[in-house]
Parts: sequence; structure tokens; C-alpha cells
Amino acid sequence: QKEVEQDPGPLSVPEGAIVSLNCTYSNSAFQYFMWYRQYSRKGPELLMYTYSSGNKEDGRFTAQVDKSSKYISLFIRDSQPSDSATYLCAISDNKLIFGAGTRLAVHP
Amino acid sequence: GAGVSQSPRYKVAKRGQDVALRCDPISGHVSLFWYQQALGQGPEFLTYFQNEAQLDKSGLPSDRFFAERPEGSVSTLKIQRTQQEDSAVYLCASSLETSGSDEQFFGPGTRLTVL
Repeated sequence: QKEVEQDPGPLSVPEGAIVSLNCTYSNSAFQYFMWYRQYSRKGPELLMYTYSSGNKEDGRFTAQVDKSSKYISLFIRDSQPSDSATYLCAISDNKLIFGAGTRLAVHP
Repeated sequence: GAGVSQSPRYKVAKRGQDVALRCDPISGHVSLFWYQQALGQGPEFLTYFQNEAQLDKSGLPSDRFFAERPEGSVSTLKIQRTQQEDSAVYLCASSLETSGSDEQFFGPGTRLTVL
């Protein structure tokens, strides 16, 4: 079993839709949770970062961590075509442990 | 300011050749990481430097892989006797300090194709 499991997608939604992306993890000791966005042929860039449980909101993006169920979520409201990318959840153990990534396509 | 840069961006090697991939981290960043990203997968950790010290090389897949950061800035990942399964994007990331909460800034990667 991988340490971080992520819904593989791909996911295709119309512009304006609410997108939900999810991951589960196995080690309850993890404390730092990230979401990275990766455009084609680019390196990942940090989108959201959460420490321990709870919610964090930044504009149209909300990250949630539920440590009791070892579940990580990213919600995107009012999705835009420019949000089309691969979204990677990651856990920081100094090094980053990534999920496989979910490819999202938002069509006009 | 300049981000993390990597060179070459693309590399084609014949099986059995040696390759060297370079990473220029953000100036002043203490920590440097190498990751390998296979097609359709998330990046996987290879190795970690704090300044010039290689503190973790547990992710290197075989003894054909070697990394160095002799002066605590530029790093080189070397792969000897390349195999087809080495084909992947190799990503370098740097962070300012050594805390697990520090943001890692990624370069664009080197896409290695082994024929």
C-alpha cells in the first residue's frame, strides 16, 4: 500500500463547476499537508498548505484535512479553464511524499 | 528573482550511456531535493542535501544513481549505465531552511529518455 493514495481521474468539468479532489494517507504521524499544481511540462508549484487538521481557504480554493479518517481534500469553486492542470496532494516528512496526481480539465 | 533552474531540459541517451543532470537552486536555500517523476505518476523522492551534506539517499533506486552538491549550491545527479526504466522527468527542488513545513520550490525538470 502506498503512503498516499489519490483518485487518479482524469476529471473533466464545465467552467464554473465546483471541483473536489481527494487523497488518503496511511501514517497518522504526518502533520504537514500540501496541494501542488502542475501544468504540463512544468514543475509542481505549491497551491495550499495545511498544518494538522482543519480547513484553509485561499480565494476559490479550500483545503481540508481530517486526521481522524486520514483524508485530505481540495475544493475549487467557480472553476476556470486556467485551472486545468494536474493536482498533486503531498505530505511533508521533510521530503515530500506525493499522491499519483489527478488530471483536471475545465472546459469552457 | 530567479527560481530553480535545471539543465538540460531534455536529454536522450542510449542505453548504457552515463548522464549528468544539473540543478541550480534558489540562492541561499539550504535544502535541496531530487525527485523522479514517471509518466502519469507523482514525483518520488530520490535524495536530500542540507548544504553540502547528503543526509538522505534512501530513494535512489540503485547504485547507478549518484548525487553531489560539493559547495552547497549547485547539485548534479548522475546516472551511470542508463536503462530504459530510468526514463522519467527528474525534478529538483530547494527550500530555504530544513523544517518540514518549508515550501519546496521546484525547477521545470529534466526529461530523460533512454532508448
